[in-house]
Amino acid sequence: NAGVMQNPRHLVRRRGQEARLRCSPVKGHSHVYWYRQLPEEGLKFMVYLQKENIIDESGMPKERFSAEFPKEGPSILRIQQVVRGDSAAYFCASSPARVTGGYGYTFGSGTRLTVV
Amino acid sequence: QKEVEQNSGPLSVPEGAIASLNCTYSDRVSQSFFWYRQYSGKSPELIMSIYSNGDKEDGRFTAQLNKASQYVSLLIRDSQPSDSATYLCAVNIYGGSQGNLIFGKGTKLSVKP
Repeated sequence: NAGVMQNPRHLVRRRGQEARLRCSPVKGHSHVYWYRQLPEEGLKFMVYLQKENIIDESGMPKERFSAEFPKEGPSILRIQQVVRGDSAAYFCASSPARVTGGYGYTFGSGTRLTVV
Repeated sequence: QKEVEQNSGPLSVPEGAIASLNCTYSDRVSQSFFWYRQYSGKSPELIMSIYSNGDKEDGRFTAQLNKASQYVSLLIRDSQPSDSATYLCAVNIYGGSQGNLIFGKGTKLSVKP
């Protein structure tokens, strides 16, 4: 029973390039969350998606960032025209239902993005 | 702005002692509370969840919740060097707009042999 799979584990991009981060949730989980973690900082919520729908994107910058969770395939977090400040660890998590039901998240191993 | 506050530490305890980690939250309607452990360079892993006032025990871990005081804590008994990690408190904001879990910045625990 595979957990949350994220790839790539490490990603290096030059300023101005695009970064694509992928996340496959636990089998059967339809809720996906993306968080960003800067060094020595906590996890900052970015976006919450269900299949084909963005439920809450209040934590995601309005420009350059987008996320999707198509009917088939992994969730994608896309960062266009990356800047040095985008360097961080990006974690994806999934749950079988809304956490109001008491379900904690299962986290993936993260993608470490470095912008040079 | 709904917030979750933790003492960043580091909290240093000797091996075998009890480590006490604290967390306060600002939203009175919060329903569910979680503790995650994160080793350096790794992803967070869920270790405890609690929903009702009082204590919940699981092995060496005890979570305590006081909704009136908006306070949740984690006790680690018989602390081991392998418990050295950052502990993240997470709070579910029922129906909130910031996703479903808000995380504190974490408390770094160091258990000295």
